[in-house]
Amino acid sequence: RKEVEQDPGPFNVPEGATVAFNCTYSNSASQSFFWYRQDCRKEPKLLMSVYSSGNEDGRFTAQLNRASQYISLLIRDSKLSDSATYLCVVKFGMNTGFQKLVFGTGTRLLVSP
Amino acid sequence: DADVTQTPRNRITKTGKRIMLECSQTKGHDRMYWYRQDPGLGLRLIYYSFDVKDINKGEISDGYSVSRQAQAKFSLSLESAIPNQTALYFCATAVTGANVLTFGAGSRLTVL
Repeated sequence: RKEVEQDPGPFNVPEGATVAFNCTYSNSASQSFFWYRQDCRKEPKLLMSVYSSGNEDGRFTAQLNRASQYISLLIRDSKLSDSATYLCVVKFGMNTGFQKLVFGTGTRLLVSP
Repeated sequence: DADVTQTPRNRITKTGKRIMLECSQTKGHDRMYWYRQDPGLGLRLIYYSFDVKDINKGEISDGYSVSRQAQAKFSLSLESAIPNQTALYFCATAVTGANVLTFGAGSRLTVL
């Protein structure tokens, strides 16, 4: 089983739609969670961290469910500019003390006019 | 200027050639990383460094070496490039204790 799994998509939605992505992780000791956004042929950029209580940033809402070991990203009122690949990232500590960041393969979102 | 600069941005080379990818940063971050990205596999860690003289292997270090010449510079070398090292390579930086990675724009390497 992959450490972090995402549905690759693509998710095709019209402008204004609400869309949600899930990401599951296998390591119950995972400590921190993030969503990164990656535009085609560009570098990943942090979209938002995911907190246990859930958090919202404008049209974006992130949720964490530790019991079921998944995180989610909800995008409301989708814009054409939201078209990108969304990477789920999970951090957990290793025996060596190194805190490992594991990246999902990403979920591709296409927003159409 | 970009906070994290990678050179070259694109490189085509032949099997067996030595290649160096360079990364420099102006963010003053102590931690630097090299990742590669392949379709369907996500980003995988090659090497990381927490400070000058500190070098650590990541999950896919075979066939690669790195050098941390200064806090701001971290270079990745392929001693003898092979076709399955064709990928998009990213350098990233972070501050100790922070969770956020800042990535460079990427270096696309093709090995023929």
